[in-house]
Amino acid sequence: KNQVEQSPQSLIILEGKNCTLQCNYTVSPFSNLRWYKQDTGRGPVSLTIMTFSENTKSNGRYTATLDADTKQSSLHITASQLSDSASYICVVSARTGTYKYIFGTGTRLKVLA
Amino acid sequence: GAVVSQHPSRVICKSGTSVKIECRSLDFQATTMFWYRQFPKQSLMLMATSNEGSKATYEQGVEKDKFLINHASLTLSTLTVTSAHPEDSSFYICSARDPGGGLVDGYTFGSGTRLTVV
Repeated sequence: KNQVEQSPQSLIILEGKNCTLQCNYTVSPFSNLRWYKQDTGRGPVSLTIMTFSENTKSNGRYTATLDADTKQSSLHITASQLSDSASYICVVSARTGTYKYIFGTGTRLKVLA
Repeated sequence: GAVVSQHPSRVICKSGTSVKIECRSLDFQATTMFWYRQFPKQSLMLMATSNEGSKATYEQGVEKDKFLINHASLTLSTLTVTSAHPEDSSFYICSARDPGGGLVDGYTFGSGTRLTVV
């Protein structure tokens, strides 16, 4: 069964600190993996996208890693800011004739001043 | 980059009435759009795949007659929640395939619609 699991479920950190969010998946055949940031009451916004052959992808203070062998990904946020408070969703695309998205349950991040 | 516009952002309606939500792809054509529903503190759940010029494909458990989808043009898909009930209150989000995705499928999401049925 195609599944995407994220941890932790929620996280509280102080402004300026770093944090790492985890994503484990069992999706086959794997196409790509995206990390989205979703502010409360808004649609998800793509942060990074990685294909099978990519190990690391950065977008400003966001760095995503992918280990296709262990089917794990992480999103590292450096020098967190208050505006980083949001839900971070890991989404894995399965190539099944037509592309299909499998969404993780997300990690809710709260950055405190 | 590609932009998907969703309207309205918030709507409150009385129980038993119908509500229409629009999803537009700006500056690109989208033959396929997707509709999702998200309950508080839960992940996005795919409701249906909207295909331009043909019938939508609904996920298991989603009532076709309750959630009417019309994809009449290459830039517009609409979701109509018919005879809405309080349990239909949710956050509805659409997405469309970004033509700039190249070999990698790229999807852009709308900003979502918060539906509250009272």
